[in-house]
Amino acid sequence: QSVLTQPPSVSAAPGQKVTISCSGSSSNIGNNYVSWYQQLPGTAPKLLIYENNKRPSGIPDRFSGSKSGTSATLGITGLQTGDEADYYCGTWDSSLSAPRVFGGGTKLTVL
Amino acid sequence: EVQLVESGGGLVQPGGSLRLSCAASGFTVSSNYMSWVRQAPGKGLEWVSVIYSGGSTYYADSVKGRFTISRDNSKNTLYLQMNSLRAEDTAVYYCARERGPIVATFFDYWGQGTLVTVSS
Repeated sequence: QSVLTQPPSVSAAPGQKVTISCSGSSSNIGNNYVSWYQQLPGTAPKLLIYENNKRPSGIPDRFSGSKSGTSATLGITGLQTGDEADYYCGTWDSSLSAPRVFGGGTKLTVL
Repeated sequence: EVQLVESGGGLVQPGGSLRLSCAASGFTVSSNYMSWVRQAPGKGLEWVSVIYSGGSTYYADSVKGRFTISRDNSKNTLYLQMNSLRAEDTAVYYCARERGPIVATFFDYWGQGTLVTVSS
């Protein structure tokens, strides 16, 4: 059971927009920053978003992040088949002895 | 260019030991926070351990007392010594560079991962 809750799966057609939610609490998302990672099949995770809404160099602006209260959202516009992957949110949880936490992951299917 | 290359994974019997290595290039390991993150087959990401630039170390409760994180500054390499291995430790182990202040921490570079299988 992950500290952060994500939907197990989402799907959308090519060219469409999709959002992936990440729900937490005041000890994690509510008072800390959120990062997002993309894991393509058989590869290592890759940083997509950090500090809630910042994109590293090389990440297209089709990917966006936002946070409100104790929830965060990853948005992907102009979906491509190459976006099919697992997506994870992550943050710091000040109530835990092991405070680096991830969501359970969301499988994105581009139909 | 930043690169992280793990090695040392393999098949080990329950109760056995294994040492993972993560060779870094393009930056200095000792100047950064470095973590190990694992992923059991078909499961999500689980943070395992971190070593701070100052040398402090921290562990997930699931591995505390069994795993030890360390680094060799002369080799610019991160290690994870894993003892008393259990079936539930079976996973792909990634090393990752950690950035940002604590409340905004994130992992900006990841290695390709090394598979550890604990089975008799």
